[in-house]
Amino acid sequence: QLHLQESGPGLVKPSETLSLTCTVSGGSISSFGSYWGWVRQPPGKRLEWIGSISYTGRTYYIPSLKSRLTISADTSKNQFSLNLSSVTAADTAVYYCARDLGYFEIDYWGQGTLVTVSS
Amino acid sequence: DVVMTQSPLSLPVTLGQPASISCRSSQSLANSDGDTHLNWYQLRPGQSPRRLIYKVSNRDSGVPDRFSGSGSDTDFTLKISRVEAEDLGIYYCMQGTHWPGTFGQGTKLEVK
Repeated sequence: QLHLQESGPGLVKPSETLSLTCTVSGGSISSFGSYWGWVRQPPGKRLEWIGSISYTGRTYYIPSLKSRLTISADTSKNQFSLNLSSVTAADTAVYYCARDLGYFEIDYWGQGTLVTVSS
Repeated sequence: DVVMTQSPLSLPVTLGQPASISCRSSQSLANSDGDTHLNWYQLRPGQSPRRLIYKVSNRDSGVPDRFSGSGSDTDFTLKISRVEAEDLGIYYCMQGTHWPGTFGQGTKLEVK
């Protein structure tokens, strides 16, 4: 059974960088055809897919965040990470990591972690 | 981006009674590969989101058969034949045919 777990600070100051890591167990992030992504949900708003990294290391970002978002992977640790720079209060959200098997067939999710942007 | 519109946003139900959630897309979700990438997810407090239905009507492993999905093109439905207490939560549709994938607003299933 695949398990994903987010980790990282729950509070980030405005203009700083939000960094989260997703640790995957029960499967490899290098598995053929897999994509490893991030979905967030700001308070009172709908879920929003923001980006992913494929099993080959290719990255995909939502255009509105492309200039601030970096997703990377460490295959030796079976982890992938999110870095979102120059954050504002609008980046406050529950952030989920997830596995996607293509065409956004997201079948496994982490539990989610609330990140608040505030001074 | 494709806009996904769910209705209702709140669905008060009596346990043991059926429930139905509608999801409409701003563009057809029929893909050139012959599939329609429309999924349904359940979100309960303190738990990971759970996929219930993929590609319109396929139930995920372990999902009770009281859950069913149907629809085509731009109009989709999630039905629960008899709502149980464990079904209470928020339900989201998501399309994956058009990049980027997008979600509906969510429908809160609650006890009447």
